Amino acid sequence: DGGITQSPKYLFRKEGQNVTLSCEQNLNHDAMYWYRQDPGQGLRLIYYSQIVNDFQKGDIAEGYSVSREKKESFPLTVTSAQKNPTAFYLCASSRTSGGLETQYFGPGTRLLVL
Amino acid sequence: AQSVTQLDSQVPVFEEAPVELRCNYSSSVSVYLFWYVQYPNQGLQLLLKYLSGSTLVKGINGFEAEFNKSQTSFHLRKPSVHISDTAEYFCAVIENSGGSNYKLTFGKGTLLTVNP
Repeated sequence: DGGITQSPKYLFRKEGQNVTLSCEQNLNHDAMYWYRQDPGQGLRLIYYSQIVNDFQKGDIAEGYSVSREKKESFPLTVTSAQKNPTAFYLCASSRTSGGLETQYFGPGTRLLVL
Repeated sequence: AQSVTQLDSQVPVFEEAPVELRCNYSSSVSVYLFWYVQYPNQGLQLLLKYLSGSTLVKGINGFEAEFNKSQTSFHLRKPSVHISDTAEYFCAVIENSGGSNYKLTFGKGTLLTVNP
């Protein structure tokens, strides 16, 4: 089945630690996205990538980094500079980055700080 | 810049009752509109979208929405809800500004709770 997988489902971070969230898609989509979801806040865009080896900052990129070395993979690193990382993180992809394209979402990773 | 307002953070209803979840947007150009549903601890699933054409859009699970340009609204409706419709619903908008970067802006969500 085609889809988007995110791992792990739950992730715990210690103070000062960098952690990496995985996102893989087998939909052959060019565009991929990372969103952060906080209760009552909706979804906010962290980073997006329109094509391999290219990515742009979204609205809340500070304290995060990404890479896009392969079409199917778009990992997100939450660095120690992100002071409030506790949230639900959602990865999405779309066929292209055009406005007509539907974004398909993964099941999410919940990050908690110890 | 585009923005989305979901007027109700929570909507409780009884099973088999009709429901309307309200969404208003703000944009200086034409827009594409979406409704997504999120079940607990899961990702988002597309319910329906408006790109152009008929202003009444039908989606999955018996939901429909109507685009009203004059009122800048895109309210979601279902004539008879089920317990299984309990979830959080997000309205989202993309501006059709003619550029190459399209940003999906989400509302803060409406939690629909269907009670027996």
